[in-house]
Amino acid sequence: DGGITQSPKYLFRKEGQNVTLSCEQNLNHDAMYWYRQDPGQGLRLIYYSQIVNDFQKGDIAEGYSVSREKKESFPLTVTSAQKNPTAFYLCASSAWTPSSGENEQFFGPGTRLTVL
Amino acid sequence: RKEVEQDPGPFNVPEGATVAFNCTYSNSASQSFFWYRQDCRKEPKLLMSVYSSGNEDGRFTAQLNRASQYISLLIRDSKLSDSATYLCVVNQVGTDKLIFGTGTRLQVFP
Repeated sequence: DGGITQSPKYLFRKEGQNVTLSCEQNLNHDAMYWYRQDPGQGLRLIYYSQIVNDFQKGDIAEGYSVSREKKESFPLTVTSAQKNPTAFYLCASSAWTPSSGENEQFFGPGTRLTVL
Repeated sequence: RKEVEQDPGPFNVPEGATVAFNCTYSNSASQSFFWYRQDCRKEPKLLMSVYSSGNEDGRFTAQLNRASQYISLLIRDSKLSDSATYLCVVNQVGTDKLIFGTGTRLQVFP
């Protein structure tokens, strides 16, 4: 089955610790995205990557870092610099390229991060 | 003004009812429009793309009004399983990025 997987589903972290959230896709998509969602709010873009070894900051990148060493993988690190990290984190991918223009994004099941 | 605005609801409707959601967007140059469905504590899932001529998928009809910059979603013969939050989504012009509305919550009761 093609799809996007995220792990873990639930994550608890102590203040001051860095944590890395996993995102893997086997859809052969070039573009991948990380969002955070807070209760009653819309999705906000953290980072995105249109191609391997390249990524761009989204609207709320402060306190986060990413890497894109493989097409299938786009891990997100929540650093201790992120002041309010408790949220629902969603990874997505799309078949977008400058020529295809296909914008539809497909989401993984999400990771719910709680800072204790 | 927000780039994508939706009525947060909730819309509480009985089974079998017809319900409509509207969404407005601020950038007249936007080209791609979608409705996503999000169940409680789950990821958003693509419900349908919205095309200029309007499109229908079973009980769901989506329409685009470019002149007024709004998108609508009509659900006929509501089912209990339609209860969810419906997200209006528009592309950010010139990019691959999508802008998500905060969602409209629908609750269908027996």
